[in-house]
Amino acid sequence: EVQLVESGGGLVQPGGSLRLSCAASGFTFSDHYMDWARQAPGKGLEWVGRIRKKANGYTTEYAASVRGRFIISRDDSMMSLYLQMNSLKTEDTAVYFCARSGNYYLDSWGQGTLVTVSS
Amino acid sequence: DIQMTQSPSSLSASVGDRVTITCRASQGIGNSLAWFQQKPGKAPKSLIYAASSLQSGVASKFSGSGSGTDFTLTISSLQPEDFATYYCQQYNSYPITFGPGTKVDIK
Repeated sequence: EVQLVESGGGLVQPGGSLRLSCAASGFTFSDHYMDWARQAPGKGLEWVGRIRKKANGYTTEYAASVRGRFIISRDDSMMSLYLQMNSLKTEDTAVYFCARSGNYYLDSWGQGTLVTVSS
Repeated sequence: DIQMTQSPSSLSASVGDRVTITCRASQGIGNSLAWFQQKPGKAPKSLIYAASSLQSGVASKFSGSGSGTDFTLTISSLQPEDFATYYCQQYNSYPITFGPGTKVDIK
């Protein structure tokens, strides 16, 4: 069974940084692209970004709203996905989900971790 | 960026009803469309991919159709566990984008 468990969320001041982690199990992590998505309180889903697998150079894609501030990385030996968030803004407040990409769509999701950006 | 719209934004239906939700892309995306179900406080659940392929383990009462710019999700006979918000998502090009959601509640 695919399991994705996010951690690292919390309260951070505007301008601050936070690193989220996602622990994967139940599938061959290294074979898959992995994504981050988010959902602001009471709002819809927003894709944050993607990291490809080793065979594709671990290259990344980002939404315009986070490009230059967020960095996605992965450690295949640890079956873990990461989201480094810098220069955080109040509008980054959201539940952050990690998701597995199967055939390019997000086929399995974690339960999410809440990030609150507030002074 | 490809903009996704959904209609209706919300609907009220009864158990046993047939429900159809429409999703439209601002430009052609082939069949690179997925549908998700989300219940309050829970993670989204994949239902349909490639516009009409049923995700493994998902009940056959869910079906998808369409290609290009216009897509539909149909629930053949609504059950109590189906009351939720449904999102479409295009993955034809970056950035990946979601529709705004359709909330299905009990009439």
